[in-house]
Amino acid sequence: DSGVTQTPKHLITATGQRVTLRCSPRSGDLSVYWYQQSLDQGLQFLIQYYNGEERAKGNILERFSAQQFPDLHSELNLSSLELGDSALYFCASSVSQNTEAFFGQGTRLTVV
Amino acid sequence: GQSLEQPSEVTAVEGAIVQINCTYQTSGFYGLSWYQQHDGGAPTFLSYNALDGLEETGRFSSFLSRSDSYGYLLLQELQMKDSASYFCAVRVDSNYQLIWGAGTKLIIKP
Repeated sequence: DSGVTQTPKHLITATGQRVTLRCSPRSGDLSVYWYQQSLDQGLQFLIQYYNGEERAKGNILERFSAQQFPDLHSELNLSSLELGDSALYFCASSVSQNTEAFFGQGTRLTVV
Repeated sequence: GQSLEQPSEVTAVEGAIVQINCTYQTSGFYGLSWYQQHDGGAPTFLSYNALDGLEETGRFSSFLSRSDSYGYLLLQELQMKDSASYFCAVRVDSNYQLIWGAGTKLIIKP
């Protein structure tokens, strides 16, 4: 157990809908990363937050947004969902911006 | 663009040694990481090489040659539990942003 908690574990929703994925980082970790992993693919970096502020942005679609709250938990919002958004979404956290990150178990999103 | 190349699948026998290669082409380079991921599970950190050479951690070793933009993960005394996907990832900036390879599925036969 990495100490990073993601909810829900599984999510099935219809195209056009909006969902929110939640991540609670390890205790003491200030940095949170979001990744998307499509079937049999590597991880695509989406976005990074550090102590509530956005620090780096990867290949994140405009339909997606995220934020990190004062208690350091983070949410990833996915809207106008398309079939191609079906994937595993991982959250990872680290103590600072330049240390190794630890991954949660992921949220498996299925868009039907 | 940025890319990492690694074989899609490798097969080995229990008790043997296997090497998984990774070549990269990225805009920045701070170091090369290796992660293990079992089916449906979370990626688990294995190693990180920032400097050239071989790093050994138990049955696993990782090598980096920055001049060749190349690294490998060496797994010794393979066990059935090592069956998993192995990803190389390049740290491209000080924010620990990682660019990931597509993964190598390691199949171990008894």
